[in-house]
Amino acid sequence: KNQVEQSPQSLIILEGKNCTLQCNYTVSPFSNLRWYKQDTGRGPVSLTIMTFSENTKSNGRYTATLDADTKQSSLHITASQLSDSASYICVVSGGNYGGSQGNLIFGKGTKLSVKP
Amino acid sequence: EADIYQTPRYLVIGTGKKITLECSQTMGHDKMYWYQQDPGMELHLIHYSYGVNSTEKGDLSSESTVSRIRTEHFPLTLESARPSHTSQYLCASRNRGLRDTQYFGPGTRLTVL
Repeated sequence: KNQVEQSPQSLIILEGKNCTLQCNYTVSPFSNLRWYKQDTGRGPVSLTIMTFSENTKSNGRYTATLDADTKQSSLHITASQLSDSASYICVVSGGNYGGSQGNLIFGKGTKLSVKP
Repeated sequence: EADIYQTPRYLVIGTGKKITLECSQTMGHDKMYWYQQDPGMELHLIHYSYGVNSTEKGDLSSESTVSRIRTEHFPLTLESARPSHTSQYLCASRNRGLRDTQYFGPGTRLTVL
């Protein structure tokens, strides 16, 4: 069964600290993996996208890694800010993403709280 | 900021009412989607469209219906709302490419009393 598991479920860190969020998936065939940030009461916003041949992708203070062999991804946030408080969602696309609705499999997200 | 809009942002209605949630995008995207998301839970696809006059049901069974008469517009209708329909509804769109990003609207939070 195609699944995306994220950990931890929630995380509290102090402003300025780094953190790493995990995503394990069992989606096959694999097309790409995306990390989204979702602020409370808002729609998700894309942070990074990686295909199987990409090991790392950065977007400012966000760095995503992908190990297609172990089917694991991580999102590292450097020097956290209060505005980083949000849910971070891992989304894996299986099959022909360019075709139908793309078989997008959503994780449940990690809720990050950054405290002053 | 993505050019995809949803109205209303918040809606509180009584059981049995008919409602339409509006979604529009000005990016010319062919593909549009509706997701349902309960608090703290993952997004579930309920409807999607490849283009004008194309609509398909998603993974999660839903009593809602959609239409796609124009490229930029993808409204979702509930003929008779029930408390079980209380949720957040997110609309999204994307272009056709393999790496094209899916852009989400701000969502409509629906409460059915």
